[in-house]
Amino acid sequence: RKEVEQDPGPFNVPEGATVAFNCTYSNSASQSFFWYRQDCRKEPKLLMSVYSSGNEDGRFTAQLNRASQYISLLIRDSKLSDSATYLCVVAATGGFKTIFGAGTRLFVKA
Amino acid sequence: EPEVTQTPSHQVTQMGQEVILRCVPISNHLYFYWYRQILGQKVEFLVSFYNNEISEKSEIFDDQFSVERPDGSNFTLKIRSTKLEDSAMYFCASSEEARRGYTFGSGTRLTVV
Repeated sequence: RKEVEQDPGPFNVPEGATVAFNCTYSNSASQSFFWYRQDCRKEPKLLMSVYSSGNEDGRFTAQLNRASQYISLLIRDSKLSDSATYLCVVAATGGFKTIFGAGTRLFVKA
Repeated sequence: EPEVTQTPSHQVTQMGQEVILRCVPISNHLYFYWYRQILGQKVEFLVSFYNNEISEKSEIFDDQFSVERPDGSNFTLKIRSTKLEDSAMYFCASSEEARRGYTFGSGTRLTVV
């Protein structure tokens, strides 16, 4: 089993759609969880941290299920500018070592 | 907005040569990281650095690699005797706390010929 596994995508959605990304991780001792976005040939940019209680930032909602070792990201009312690769990132205890998923590519079309 | 600065943006080197990639983390950040991303592949963790020492490193980070914080602002990655397969984008990142998300620099594209 891969350390961090994501839906391979790509996801092609129209503007205004709701889209959900899933991610599973194998290390039950993982402590910190993040979603990043990466535009083509650019650096990853932090989208949001993921907390056990779930958290929301505008159109973005992240959920964590420790029992199932599963993380999700929901994007509502998709914009053209949301087109990017979404990276699930998991950090082990202490947070010093982070494992990136391979990413899920999202295309939002007019 | 504070940013992580990396230089150079692109480096071409001959196989077997040594390269030093430079990074200036955000000034009040205490944790520093290097990652690499081979074209078309996922981001891979190389090393984390805290309190002037390596706190964690991956299997990729072997004796060919070393990191240093030579002064209060710079954080460098040295790759000795470069190989063709070292060609990749190298990202530096920093964070205030280990469990917070990291801010990435724009990367150095290393091409080994």
